Amino acid sequence: AQTVTQSQPEMSVQEAETVTLSCTYDTSESDYYLFWYKQPPSRQMILVIRQEAYKQQNATENRFSVNFQKAAKSFSLKISDSQLGDAAMYFCAYRGGTASKLTFGTGTRLQVTL
Amino acid sequence: GAVVSQHPSWVICKSGTSVKIECRSLDFQATTMFWYRQFPKQSLMLMATSNEGSKATYEQGVEKDKFLINHASLTLSTLTVTSAHPEDSSFYICRVQGGYGYTFGSGTRLTVV
Repeated sequence: AQTVTQSQPEMSVQEAETVTLSCTYDTSESDYYLFWYKQPPSRQMILVIRQEAYKQQNATENRFSVNFQKAAKSFSLKISDSQLGDAAMYFCAYRGGTASKLTFGTGTRLQVTL
Repeated sequence: GAVVSQHPSWVICKSGTSVKIECRSLDFQATTMFWYRQFPKQSLMLMATSNEGSKATYEQGVEKDKFLINHASLTLSTLTVTSAHPEDSSFYICRVQGGYGYTFGSGTRLTVV
């Protein structure tokens, strides 16, 4: 079974600084997708960024980028120029290529300080 | 991704009663929807996969008779918590598979007293 591990329960970053959230996963599949979701206090799940395993290029969405290391099964999220609104729980998630289920990590709570 | 509406956003019910939660796909015909449960400060745990016109597929350890799922149309899936008990108090979230992405509902906070 696939597993997703987020080893940082909490992280803190100063406003305007950069922070990296870690995620590792375990799978025997070659075709899969990886996601980072943000869950603010409202608890609405918001898709931050998505990466297809077959793509070598790291995905980027404005201030959010990933470092996808397929061989190491690592998928970290970098948030640049952190803003107060970035404070939330961040979940890393995995989906197999032919499957529809999402497997979530345990989450990282990100605090943004002034 | 699809636009998803989940209702109610919060509900309080008495122990022993049943509660129905609705998940609607407003702009996409969804043959598949998913139901998750999230305890405070924990991750989302998949409860079941809801398939339009057929029986739901439940994850191991989830009681089928307690958490009734109905997906009677391409735009609506319902989760009914039957004979609710305080330990069923949780945050329930639906997810719609459709289009490019996978959109979540806004969640339902259930409190059983």
